[in-house]
Amino acid sequence: EVQLVESGGGLVKPGGSLRLSCAASGFTFPNAWMNWVRQAPGKGLEWVGRIKSKTDGGTTDYAAPVKGRFTISRDDSKNTLYLQMNSLKTEDTAVYYCATCLTVCMTAEYFQHWGQGTLVTVSS
Amino acid sequence: QSVLTQPPSVSAAPGQKVTISCSGSSSNIGNDYVSWYQQLPGTAPKLLIYDNNKRPSGIPDRFSGSKSGTSATLGITGLQTGDEADYYCVGWDSSLSAYVFGPGTMVTVL
Repeated sequence: EVQLVESGGGLVKPGGSLRLSCAASGFTFPNAWMNWVRQAPGKGLEWVGRIKSKTDGGTTDYAAPVKGRFTISRDDSKNTLYLQMNSLKTEDTAVYYCATCLTVCMTAEYFQHWGQGTLVTVSS
Repeated sequence: QSVLTQPPSVSAAPGQKVTISCSGSSSNIGNDYVSWYQQLPGTAPKLLIYDNNKRPSGIPDRFSGSKSGTSATLGITGLQTGDEADYYCVGWDSSLSAYVFGPGTMVTVL
């Protein structure tokens, strides 16, 4: 069974930093492209960024609002995805989900499997 | 302001049909595949439709998707109370080099 479990959320002051983790199991993590998607309280979904598999270059892409402040990385030996968030702003307050595509991604990448999310609150 | 446009809400009686539109541009929907997600209250989103019109295993055929030009549509037939949720369309925007989500549509079963 595919499982994605996020952790690391919490309360942080504006300008602070936080690192989220997403522990993966039930699939071959090194082969998967991994995404972060967030949802502010009462708002819609917003893509944060992704990291490709190392065999596909291991490169990252980011949404404009987080570029230069957030960094996505992966540790394939630990089957874990990370989101390092620096210079946090109040508007970064959201539930952060990790998501991946495993079996329906022949033509494009989709958010097929999701974690349960972890809440990040940026407030003074 | 979302790059993709969806109606804020749609509603219908049980057993009826609803359609949700998703309008974009040539840099996103017009140039790539569309997917749709259902988010029940308090839960993580679930993939409903991928490649414009395909359903993952386990998704009932009451859900359907289509795309024409720079617009896509999600259809739900035989509406059930369990379908009350928010629905999002998603596409890759080549100008932004980013995935873009629609603002979401709340489906209400009257």
